[in-house]
Amino acid sequence: AQRVTQPEKLLSVFKGAPVELKCNYSYSGSPELFWYVQYSRQRLQLLLRHISRESIKGFTADLNKGETSFHLKKPFAQEEDSAMYYCALSPRSGGYNKLIFGAGTRLAVHP
Amino acid sequence: DAGVIQSPRHEVTEMGQEVTLRCKPISGHNSLFWYRQTMMRGLELLIYFNNNVPIDDSGMPEDRFSAKMPNASFSTLKIQPSEPRDSAVYFCASRPAGGPGEQYFGPGTRLTVT
Repeated sequence: AQRVTQPEKLLSVFKGAPVELKCNYSYSGSPELFWYVQYSRQRLQLLLRHISRESIKGFTADLNKGETSFHLKKPFAQEEDSAMYYCALSPRSGGYNKLIFGAGTRLAVHP
Repeated sequence: DAGVIQSPRHEVTEMGQEVTLRCKPISGHNSLFWYRQTMMRGLELLIYFNNNVPIDDSGMPEDRFSAKMPNASFSTLKIQPSEPRDSAVYFCASRPAGGPGEQYFGPGTRLTVT
């Protein structure tokens, strides 16, 4: 079964603290993985994708095929990082058209 | 480009009424997706279209839900009759053809069924 698991509903940290939002996936093939972010009262938008291997707003995510994980990390959290974060998987079957989302993790960064 | 456009942004209706949500994808995008977001279930894919043709509607909860895409620039999601448990935020997203890539989301329609 194709599934994305984000075990934490809420992650609460202080400004300047490191952040790790966990994401595990279940998929037998080679998926494409994404992190989407939804700031308060804004539309969902792409934060980063694993094939790009880039850092966006200080966030990075490394695909670990052995652990089937794609955790999102940032060394020093900022208040403006407070948002809802969704990990998503795009399966090869179906031509990568679909996105399967995790339940999301709300990140709250306190001053 | 204004991005994906959805209307209305908010809809309040009474149980039993018909509800129609509308979406205009980004010009040139040939895939369109409808999602439902709730606190309990998160983001669920309801249905998606490629080149105006429904490809996967396995996420449509029941026959009360239907979606159409009469042309490349317009899609509707209809609920008839609506029920309180349909209350959610409904998102439309679009993306261009080919390989893995970003989906572009609309602002969503917040539906409340009383």
